[in-house]
Amino acid sequence: ETGVTQTPRHLVMGMTNKKSLKCEQHLGHNAMYWYKQSAKKPLELMFVYSLEERVENNSVPSRFSPECPNSSHLFLHLHTLQPEDSALYLCASSSRDTETGELFFGEGSRLTVL
Amino acid sequence: GQNIDQPTEMTATEGAIVQINCTYQTSGFNGLFWYQQHAGEAPTFLSYNVLDGLEEKGRFSSFLSRSKGYSYLLLKELQMKDSASYLCAAMDSNYQLIWGAGTKLIIKP
Repeated sequence: ETGVTQTPRHLVMGMTNKKSLKCEQHLGHNAMYWYKQSAKKPLELMFVYSLEERVENNSVPSRFSPECPNSSHLFLHLHTLQPEDSALYLCASSSRDTETGELFFGEGSRLTVL
Repeated sequence: GQNIDQPTEMTATEGAIVQINCTYQTSGFNGLFWYQQHAGEAPTFLSYNVLDGLEEKGRFSSFLSRSKGYSYLLLKELQMKDSASYLCAAMDSNYQLIWGAGTKLIIKP
């Protein structure tokens, strides 16, 4: 069982659809993250949940909506997306109690918006 | 503004040594990370430097110079499986990670 699991791995949706990405971590971490990864661009932090508080990047459009029901699960709800939202969406977790706080990533959900 | 620069792509030969450079500009500094990402896979943690100097971990070493805003990742005895993207990230004073766009390393036989 991997540490951070994301589903689905691949998703194709139209601009009027509503879908959700799911992330689950089995590492006992207390922070979870959503990142957007586009080709040849730096990772873009979208949302952080740390100790049940949410921190967000103000540049993220409202068509992306996160949900964190508990410290092990994280969702990203998607609605009325645009073609430019096509990217790899990575979930990560970390422990705020370690020296480095390195991130543990899931393998990502590859999203294509038609 | 905050910025990370690293080369887009590098090519090296199996068995050789390669150095991937990273320069950073951040508001404050709380450490420099390197991650490896194979195509279609999750990024995985390689190293963390917060003090000046060289940290060695097997075939991989990471160096940091805080005064120069500079780090490098050194890979020795290159293997085909080292073909991947290498991501540099600096942590600022708010403990936020500033990421580079990654260096794609191609290993040739």
